[in-house]
Amino acid sequence: DQQVKQNSPSLSVQEGRISILNCDYTNSMFDYFLWYKKYPAEGPTFLISISSIKDKNEDGRFTVFLNKSAKHLSLHIVPSQPGDSAVYFCAPGRTSGTYKYIFGTGTRLKVLA
Amino acid sequence: DTAVSQTPKYLVTQMGNDKSIKCEQNLGHDTMYWYKQDSKKFLKIMFSYNNKELIINETVPNRFSPKSPDKAHLNLHINSLELGDSAVYFCASSPGQGYSPLHFGNGTRLTVT
Repeated sequence: DQQVKQNSPSLSVQEGRISILNCDYTNSMFDYFLWYKKYPAEGPTFLISISSIKDKNEDGRFTVFLNKSAKHLSLHIVPSQPGDSAVYFCAPGRTSGTYKYIFGTGTRLKVLA
Repeated sequence: DTAVSQTPKYLVTQMGNDKSIKCEQNLGHDTMYWYKQDSKKFLKIMFSYNNKELIINETVPNRFSPKSPDKAHLNLHINSLELGDSAVYFCASSPGQGYSPLHFGNGTRLTVT
């Protein structure tokens, strides 16, 4: 039972263009959403978050959009840089009760120079 | 300064053996986690401790036993290792409840032969 899906296992984008990574979830109780970036042989690194009371959060080149009615979030990277090449995970969670984050399967982004 | 450190980074062992993975965080966080990333790249939570108290146990076989001697340490002991235990195990920590992302270690790649 996959509560979190990242349907694109991989994505290639030219340097300087926009990268859009998508994530769908099924549990309407999720109220906090994280994005992580992971390089090979390293642990996931926190990138950006959004709470369910917002529909957009921006941090430099990274913007996360949340569409609660569609249970969909996306990460936009503009402009994309070769150093952004990594695997990106979305991780929705609940902040009430015994909270935990459920990770998607990841999207491998390759930014071409 | 490494925030969340795991040892060893690589662990190769034979079926039936018992092994431990250690994790330490110097962030002053109250909550620590073990996640498993399997061959399909799913990152799944196994355990969570809050101030040395077990708060999440995700139906993991009881061959896996976490131990938290203090809130800065969370070790994972695995008895009678099986081939299916081969995976990358990530330790993580967070400040506690509420809107707080996880900080991950660099993982321990366990290979059972």
